[in-house]
Amino acid sequence: AQSVAQPEDQVNVAEGNPLTVKCTYSVSGNPYLFWYVQYPNRGLQFLLKYITGDNLVKGSYGFEAEFNKSQTSFHLKKPSALVSDSALYFCAGRDPYTNAGKSTFGDGTTLTVKP
Amino acid sequence: GAGVSQSPRYKVAKRGQDVALRCDPISGHVSLFWYQQALGQGPEFLTYFQNEAQLDKSGLPSDRFFAERPEGSVSTLKIQRTQQEDSAVYLCASSTSSSYNEQFFGPGTRLTVL
Repeated sequence: AQSVAQPEDQVNVAEGNPLTVKCTYSVSGNPYLFWYVQYPNRGLQFLLKYITGDNLVKGSYGFEAEFNKSQTSFHLKKPSALVSDSALYFCAGRDPYTNAGKSTFGDGTTLTVKP
Repeated sequence: GAGVSQSPRYKVAKRGQDVALRCDPISGHVSLFWYQQALGQGPEFLTYFQNEAQLDKSGLPSDRFFAERPEGSVSTLKIQRTQQEDSAVYLCASSTSSSYNEQFFGPGTRLTVL
């Protein structure tokens, strides 16, 4: 069975500092991996995805993520955090070969960026 | 353009009542997904449609849960004889047909069963 883990419930960083939100996965084969962000009272919004190719993917709002197959990780990063980045972040994975329609989500990480 | 919409946004039901939750996907999106999100947890997959065909319903927790998408557009998630453990936010998402495409989520329906 596929699974996605976000080992940190909460990440706190100061504005201007780099941020990392961690994600590890257990999905067979070559998974599709996604990051979504959820702001209060709003639906999940897509940030970026890894499908194939370059292990470093860039997404919306200056975020990027690195796919590391040996460590089965897909950590979300941003070089310089903004207060407006404070939100709930979800990592999701999908096995495109055996179950293309089913995404598995982590339990989310709350990012707080302090001025 | 219009995003995914869901109605109602909030629903309170008495234990044992039937409820119906509606999802209007983005026009032209072939795939539609339903998720259940409990407090403090990530979305849990319930079911998936490609056009009107329900291709995967492995996540539906019991036979009290039923989903349909008869014309390949609007979808309804029905829960019969609601129980307290059904209280959650129900999310709908849609996407274009390819499995590598991201999903666009609606705001969710918060169901509270008393």
